[in-house]
Amino acid sequence: DTAVSQTPKYLVTQMGNDKSIKCEQNLGHDTMYWYKQDSKKFLKIMFSYNNKELIINETVPNRFSPKSPDKAHLNLHINSLELGDSAVYFCASSQDEEGLVKGYTFGSGTRLTVV
Amino acid sequence: GEDVEQSLFLSVREGDSSVINCTYTDSSSTYLYWYKQEPGAGLQLLTYIFSNMDMKQDQRLTVLLNKKDKHLSLRIADTQTGDSAIYFCADLLGDDYKLSFGAGTTVTVRA
Repeated sequence: DTAVSQTPKYLVTQMGNDKSIKCEQNLGHDTMYWYKQDSKKFLKIMFSYNNKELIINETVPNRFSPKSPDKAHLNLHINSLELGDSAVYFCASSQDEEGLVKGYTFGSGTRLTVV
Repeated sequence: GEDVEQSLFLSVREGDSSVINCTYTDSSSTYLYWYKQEPGAGLQLLTYIFSNMDMKQDQRLTVLLNKKDKHLSLRIADTQTGDSAIYFCADLLGDDYKLSFGAGTTVTVRA
């Protein structure tokens, strides 16, 4: 069983479209995250949710809207896609203080290409 | 990121030791981590070190922490071709358990 699963794995879409990426974790973790990895492999946190509550909201365009229907799911919806949104998006989860020693568990990523 | 810096590339011969270096800026970091990313995959936690430790060894991996200089290193003994990957240093910031990553060091193991 995959611990943190993201869908789709690849997403190619045109500029201006709206798309969603889904993430589910079956680890029972309390906190979930979205990270963006750019073409230079630099990883930057976008959002985190703890028990469906938004905890971290970095400087991200408001075209990006996370949604957490329950603590096992954190989806990312992106409106009006732009070329600069092309990146690999990683979902991750952690179990609060236990996460300090076990770190985050990452999904395998969604490669978004905007053309 | 701005908080964590790493050299970008390292080439090492199979069987030799690899040393990957990292510097961080936040003196209040409590936990520091090394993650490995293989091509097309997510990040996998390799090891961590608590800020009150100087060294941690785990099989072929040795982590050294110099808190005064805010310097962290990862040594991989007897490097194998399967160790070719990107290695990320990360530190934990604040009470919201936010991980801040370095830019990653691409390690290439040559025969």
